[in-house]
This record gives sequence, structure tokens and C-alpha cells, in this order.
Amino acid sequence: EVVLTQSPGTLSLSPGERATLSCRASQTVNSNYLVWYQQRPGQAPRFLIYGASNRATGIPDRFSGSGSGTDFTLTISRLEPEDFVVYYCQHFGALVTFGGGTKVEIK
Amino acid sequence: QIQLVQSGAEVKKPGASVKVSCKASGYAFSNYGLSWVRQAPGQGLEWMGWITEYTGDTNYAQKFQGRVALSRDTSTSTAFMEVTNLTPGDTAIYYCARETRWGKYRYSDYWGQGTQVTVSS
Repeated sequence: EVVLTQSPGTLSLSPGERATLSCRASQTVNSNYLVWYQQRPGQAPRFLIYGASNRATGIPDRFSGSGSGTDFTLTISRLEPEDFVVYYCQHFGALVTFGGGTKVEIK
Repeated sequence: QIQLVQSGAEVKKPGASVKVSCKASGYAFSNYGLSWVRQAPGQGLEWMGWITEYTGDTNYAQKFQGRVALSRDTSTSTAFMEVTNLTPGDTAIYYCARETRWGKYRYSDYWGQGTQVTVSS
């Protein structure tokens, strides 16, 4: 089973700043199956990025994904107030796993 | 539009079972799989298992093998998740999510609103 480790656990930034979130896999994974979600309080997760670097329909271009092998990154180029929530990475293998999440909070 | 609508909140006693439903609309139900994911209070997302498109085969996270059963009724476009022998540790919000395979990619693009399951004596 692939274990996904997200870091940092919490990221404290100001609106307008750049956010860099990490997702590290315990073994090399197929980047086609690496997905990112956003979750706002009290809501279901929202699909953001698939195939490590492809934005889902309707996702603003300030969100971008990159990486391969074991190291993946979600970047938010300029934080908007609504971006200060929690983000999860996910891998679709024979079994599916989620990272522990990164909370982006207002500094 | 595509929607997944889950059944309402449940309160159960330890040792009981719960069955949550997820009714799909706006797409060809049999052509997509469905995953189930839970989230304990203040915790992250935990994948439980999925039921595949077309054949309806099931695949479970090892932690839930033998205690969780996924099923579906294609005539009503509804998926079900049953958890048996509940403990307080099963208290969580349970989500269904549509699984899409598009070309070489896989992802969960639509999610239900979540069902709160509370286990308490």
C-alpha cells in the first residue's frame, strides 16, 4: 500500500502570497493517478487536480500541480481568502490512499 | 446536472449495523464506479472501498475487509454501504464519490453531501 505524507501539516500565509504544499509517496507512483482535493469546513471534498498536473473543470489557474515519482506539489500562486482551507492528495493504486492533509491558514 | 444524494444522519448503538445509500443522477450510473470515504471528527479522509463500473465488483481497504459491504442497484442508480459491528470509533461523516476513468487518468470528480453516522451507547 502506498503511504502519502503531506507537509507541512499547517501552512500560515497571508492573502496574495504563494502556497506550496507537498505530497510525498512511500514508493514511486504513476503520476496519472495522483489527485488533489480541497475541502472547506462542513463540505465534501472538491476535485482540483488530476494526473498530478491537470486542473479539473472550473478550477482557477492560480492552482497548479507538479511532480513525479515520489514527490508531488500543489501550488497556489496567489492566495485568495477562500483558499484558506484544507488540501488532500490521493493516489489511485490497486487500493486508494489519501494523504493526511495540509491546512492553509491565515497568518 | 450530476448529483449524488446520500441518505440522512444515523445514530446507532455499539454492535449495530448501518446502511447508507447514495442516489446518483445526471449520468449513466453503470458506467462509473463509486468510492466510499469517511472522515472522523477533526480528522482526514479515509478511503474505505469502491464498487467498480460495469461489473459491480468490490474492493476494500484492508482495515474494512469483512465489516463493510458495498452494493448497488442499477435499476434505481443507487449505491449502498453497510457497516456491521459498529463501535464509537466508526463515528464519522461517510461520503460516496463517483470514480471516473478518463483515458489514462482516475479521479473522484463528484461527491455526495455526506452522511453523519454517530455510534453511541
